[in-house]
Formats: sequence, C-alpha cells, structure tokens
Amino acid sequence: AQSVTQLDSHVSVSEGTPVLLRCNYSSSYSPSLFWYVQHPNKGLQLLLKYTSAATLVKGINGFEAEFKKSETSFHLTKPSAHMSDAAEYFCVVSPMNTGFQKLVFGTGTRLLVSP
Amino acid sequence: GAVVSQHPSRVICKSGTSVKIECRSLDFQATTMFWYRQFPKQSLMLMATSNEGSKATYEQGVEKDKFLINHASLTLSTLTVTSAHPEDSSFYICSYKGRATNEQFFGPGTRLTVL
Repeated sequence: AQSVTQLDSHVSVSEGTPVLLRCNYSSSYSPSLFWYVQHPNKGLQLLLKYTSAATLVKGINGFEAEFKKSETSFHLTKPSAHMSDAAEYFCVVSPMNTGFQKLVFGTGTRLLVSP
Repeated sequence: GAVVSQHPSRVICKSGTSVKIECRSLDFQATTMFWYRQFPKQSLMLMATSNEGSKATYEQGVEKDKFLINHASLTLSTLTVTSAHPEDSSFYICSYKGRATNEQFFGPGTRLTVL
C-alpha cells in the first residue's frame, strides 16, 4: 500500500526565514514523489517531482526537496520565505506499479507567512 | 505548463437535482483524466480514472451511477452528480495526464453546495 504522511498541518514562518515542510512516504514499489501547491481558487500547481534521478530536486519559486530512501522522507525546503508562498502544500506519491498514474495525496500543510 | 479549465467554478443546487461539471484541456491532448473530491480541510481523494473513449474506472466506495463521467474527447470530460444530496457538497477537481508525461495537470476546481 502507498501512503504519505505530512507531519504538520500548519507551519508558520516569518518572511525571509527558511521553510521546512515535512513529508514521509510509504510505498511497496519505487515511487515517484511530488510536491504540489494549492492557492485559494486556483488549480494545484506542481512545484517539483522526483523520479529516481537526482535525489536533490529543484523546483519552481526557489523550492527544493531531497529524496532520502533510508528515512523514507521527501521534505520540502526553501531558504527564504516570501509572502506569496502562503498556501496549502501537498506531498504526493505515485507508485510505479500503477504506471505512475495514481496519485496518493497527503493531508496537506498550510504555510502561513507573516511580515 | 498545460492549462486545464473547469466550469462552473461554483454551483449551488437544491437536493435531488443533478449538476454537470465540465473539465477542458485547453492546449494539449489528454489521454487520461482523473476526478478528485476534496472535503474541507482534507486531502484530495481520487474518485475515478478514465481514458478517452472508454468507461471510467471508479475507486472503491464511489458510486458510478451517482457520479457519471463522460470522456468523449481528448479535450473535454464531464462529471455529473445525479440526485445530489447535501453530503455531496464538496470541492471537485479534475486533472489530465498527457501522453508522454507522468505529470498531471489540474483544473481550478468546482465548489458544489447542495442545499
């Protein structure tokens, strides 16, 4: 079975400080992993994805994530938060045995950025 | 990235009526599409998967006679919620997967409220 655990439902940071959104996954097969961002009234936007190439993945808007198989983690980070980063973030796993078609979403982490 | 639109963005209906939600891919041909449901403060849950010209495959617990999916072309899919009840009130999101990518492109969602 595949699952994703996002350890924090809310994360609050000040503008200009680092962001860390935690994600642990469980998958019986080699997975693809994704981070999506959801702004109010907008569609989910892909931030970055891991597909068994480099373990450190760089995405859009300065975000990056590191795939750590030994820890079954795929935490999302950004060196310096911006007000526009405030949104809901979803960690997503897509197992290979589904042809990477099925996406299993975590419960989401709401990032709050204060001035 | 690919653009996916949904219409309407918001709909309010009376209990017992049917509601149709359209999902269009605007700039690419979508071979596979997905319909998700998102309850408040919860994650996205996959409802069904369909390939163009084929019947949809529904996830366990999703009634196919209640949630009718039509994927008649490579750019248009519809979800019809039949005989809607207040418990069907939710945020419905579609996504498309292109021919040569593992990435899904999401629509902005439709908020359904059943009175």
